[in-house]
Amino acid sequence: SAVISQKPSRDICQRGTSLTIQCQVDSQVTMMFWYRQQPGQSLTLIATANQGSEATYESGFVIDKFPISRPNLTFSTLTVSNMSPEDSSIYLCSAGGHQDSYGYTFGSGTRLTVV
Amino acid sequence: GENVEQHPSTLSVQEGDSAVIKCTYSDSASNYFPWYKQELGKGPQLIIDIRSNVGEKKDQRIAVTLNKTAKHFSLHITETQPEDSAVYFCAASPDSSYKLIFGSGTRLLVRP
Repeated sequence: SAVISQKPSRDICQRGTSLTIQCQVDSQVTMMFWYRQQPGQSLTLIATANQGSEATYESGFVIDKFPISRPNLTFSTLTVSNMSPEDSSIYLCSAGGHQDSYGYTFGSGTRLTVV
Repeated sequence: GENVEQHPSTLSVQEGDSAVIKCTYSDSASNYFPWYKQELGKGPQLIIDIRSNVGEKKDQRIAVTLNKTAKHFSLHITETQPEDSAVYFCAASPDSSYKLIFGSGTRLLVRP
């Protein structure tokens, strides 16, 4: 199955600043996604990272707040911009697809605390 | 869009007993249904998945059943062990978008 490296694993940031999270997959994948998970809660899809084009955002998430890049089939970044304490959460990268024999794989997540 | 409901939210079983977690989905176009196990401080790990052309799939102590007519699918864990204790998530995905929509999760506790 695909292996995802996500970094940083955790960070504490000042409000008003931005943090960029990196997601590296060890093989080319069709789909890449970004999720947010509040402690003790389920996973909420932020956006689909499209290779070579703008990401597709879910309702409640906008590009100005969560800009996403996907320059190739193995790498994506998520930036959390102008952070506030409400952005404190776990951010997860996922890669794969139905048609892939290994389904969807997740990274280990980035635990973000905004102070 | 798709909506996935998961029950129960918590489940406590004695070691060796079976555990069953149930999910329902709303979008009849969904055709891929994975189950994930998430341990504390880690990302979700795929444990089993099923596609809509199959009614049941088994992998050792874990099995998943799918009823497309009723739009529900279930995870069955037999001979539970303490290391099965974790949070389990179901998800559904339509071919049209390939994105996963998750259920709310079930916290499983296996008592030794």
